[in-house]
Amino acid sequence: DGGITQSPKYLFRKEGQNVTLSCEQNLNHDAMYWYRQDPGQGLRLIYYSQIVNDFQKGDIAEGYSVSREKKESFPLTVTSAQKNPTAFYLCASSLEGDTEAFFGQGTRLTVV
Amino acid sequence: KQEVTQIPAALSVPEGENLVLNCSFTDSAIYNLQWFRQDPGKGLTSLLLIQSSQREQTSGRLNASLDKSSGRSTLYIAASQPGDSATYLCAVRSYNTDKLIFGTGTRLQVFP
Repeated sequence: DGGITQSPKYLFRKEGQNVTLSCEQNLNHDAMYWYRQDPGQGLRLIYYSQIVNDFQKGDIAEGYSVSREKKESFPLTVTSAQKNPTAFYLCASSLEGDTEAFFGQGTRLTVV
Repeated sequence: KQEVTQIPAALSVPEGENLVLNCSFTDSAIYNLQWFRQDPGKGLTSLLLIQSSQREQTSGRLNASLDKSSGRSTLYIAASQPGDSATYLCAVRSYNTDKLIFGTGTRLQVFP
């Protein structure tokens, strides 16, 4: 089945640790995105990539990093510089920047 | 800067009612508008995509309209069912950006 796979579903991080969230898609989409969702707030864009080996900062990129070495993969690293990382993280992809977007099932990150 | 607002924030209706969810946006220069459904703790499921040149799209009991000049979209759900209970999000993609800008959603509960 074609789709977007995020892993893990739940992730616990200790203070000061870096953690990496995985996002893989087999839809042959060029564009990929990372969003953060907090209770009572809309989705906020962290990073996005329109093509392999290129990515741009979104609205809340501080404390996060990404890479796009393969078309199907767009991992997100939450660094120790992110002050409040506890949130629900959603990955999305689209064929091009202005076409329909599809989302993965999300990763819930909790700082312990 | 594009801003997206959804009203109401929450809605509770008895089964069988027809209902309308509203989405407004401040900048009419958009490529498209997309409606999503989100179940608790899950990712987003795409419901309907309306291109800027279209006035409406239909899928089963769902109908979405777009009035770009007034910055409004509505999602009409016919003959609501308890299984329709979820949060509904709208998002717009503006010209000259690859960002999907989201509203904060309408939380719908349909009771038997």
